[in-house]
Amino acid sequence: GDSVTQMEGPVTLSEEAFLTINCTYTATGYPSLFWYVQYPGEGLQLLLKATKADDKGSNKGFEATYRKETTSFHLEKGSVQVSDSAVYFCALINAFQGAQKLVFGQGTRLTINP
Amino acid sequence: DAGVIQSPRHEVTEMGQEVTLRCKPISGHNSLFWYRQTMMRGLELLIYFNNNVPIDDSGMPEDRFSAKMPNASFSTLKIQPSEPRDSAVYFCASSLRVGETNEKLFFGSGTQLSVL
Repeated sequence: GDSVTQMEGPVTLSEEAFLTINCTYTATGYPSLFWYVQYPGEGLQLLLKATKADDKGSNKGFEATYRKETTSFHLEKGSVQVSDSAVYFCALINAFQGAQKLVFGQGTRLTINP
Repeated sequence: DAGVIQSPRHEVTEMGQEVTLRCKPISGHNSLFWYRQTMMRGLELLIYFNNNVPIDDSGMPEDRFSAKMPNASFSTLKIQPSEPRDSAVYFCASSLRVGETNEKLFFGSGTQLSVL
């Protein structure tokens, strides 16, 4: 079945560092890809999405590009802030499979130190 | 809108007791999802509903778990009897299904369940 694999955490960086969180997927057809973020004590929130190959999703300084050739959707940010500390989830939804449920990766915990 | 509302926020119970988790989705949303989050397994989809009808319950761990959605504004997840391995954070999420997709989920703040 469809699956999402993220780089294992936790990831710890200093403020203003460059961030990359790797995400690769396995799916039939042409899934849509997402990054969700979970701040401490809260539920997940949609951060950004891309619905077709070569699309770039962006929000709050974060970006991710849908790479079909490498089945990847890596999350990047040029300069992280302490407020970015959270758990980040890569996810896909697959129209080929009925597009009714998101499949999430395991999550990557990010901690930004001042 | 108040968002997805879950209750209780925290539940501590003893093994063998019945536990009921509650969820009020965002008004107007027609899909509702129950997820379980643990350190070991990450985020697992337990069951989801479209228009109050259960569509896929393949993620429900066993017969001790049951979920209902009697109307568009309320859902419950029940565990009877509860076991220590059920300890987790349980999230409810809702979305507005457009066509065949449920792309943007709105999550509640979760219920932290501890079974002693």
